[in-house]
Amino acid sequence: DQQVKQNSPSLSVQEGRISILNCDYTNSMFDYFLWYKKYPAEGPTFLISISSIKDKNEDGRFTVFLNKSAKHLSLHIVPSQPGDSAVYFCAASVDSSYKLIFGSGTRLLVRP
Amino acid sequence: GAVVSQHPSRVICKSGTSVKIECRSLDFQATTMFWYRQFPKQSLMLMATSNEGSKATYEQGVEKDKFLINHASLTLSTLTVTSAHPEDSSFYICSARGLTSTDTQYFGPGTRLTVL
Repeated sequence: DQQVKQNSPSLSVQEGRISILNCDYTNSMFDYFLWYKKYPAEGPTFLISISSIKDKNEDGRFTVFLNKSAKHLSLHIVPSQPGDSAVYFCAASVDSSYKLIFGSGTRLLVRP
Repeated sequence: GAVVSQHPSRVICKSGTSVKIECRSLDFQATTMFWYRQFPKQSLMLMATSNEGSKATYEQGVEKDKFLINHASLTLSTLTVTSAHPEDSSFYICSARGLTSTDTQYFGPGTRLTVL
């Protein structure tokens, strides 16, 4: 049973436009959420995180929104750049266990 | 930011041999390190959690006798795949969490294991 789901395996957007990547979770005990970016044959790179006590966190072009009632979070990238093309994973953790549960990833392609 | 290295980046071995993968936190002390594996076009699956100086905690379905984990210091954890078989071929990634950091884990670049 997947506790963290990314239902869109891929997303294609035009350079300069907004990219919206979505993530749903089922475990209401999750209290920390993260987004990672990953290139092929490399380890994931941390992008941005959000605690369950917040509903929004912004860092430059990246904004993460958390809707606890819907158990849904999203990553907004504005403006999108070709260098943003990668696989994006959302991840969640429970309490102080620090174990990350990953979604299956969404491959983002930003077209020049 | 925090840097985590892995060695080797790629290894090819014969079936039945053992392979050791090292994970190092270069500029911080890691109380906890995690080992993941990723199959092609799939998510990262947590294999085990290791805390410095104690036994690793393995996830359900991961054979602890096959995947030996040692976390002997605050900057080094090793994963040994014993008696490797072709089905063990995968991309193995470690991550580390520092002493005073938040829940952020920093990942190594990964090790591609191919068992012939």
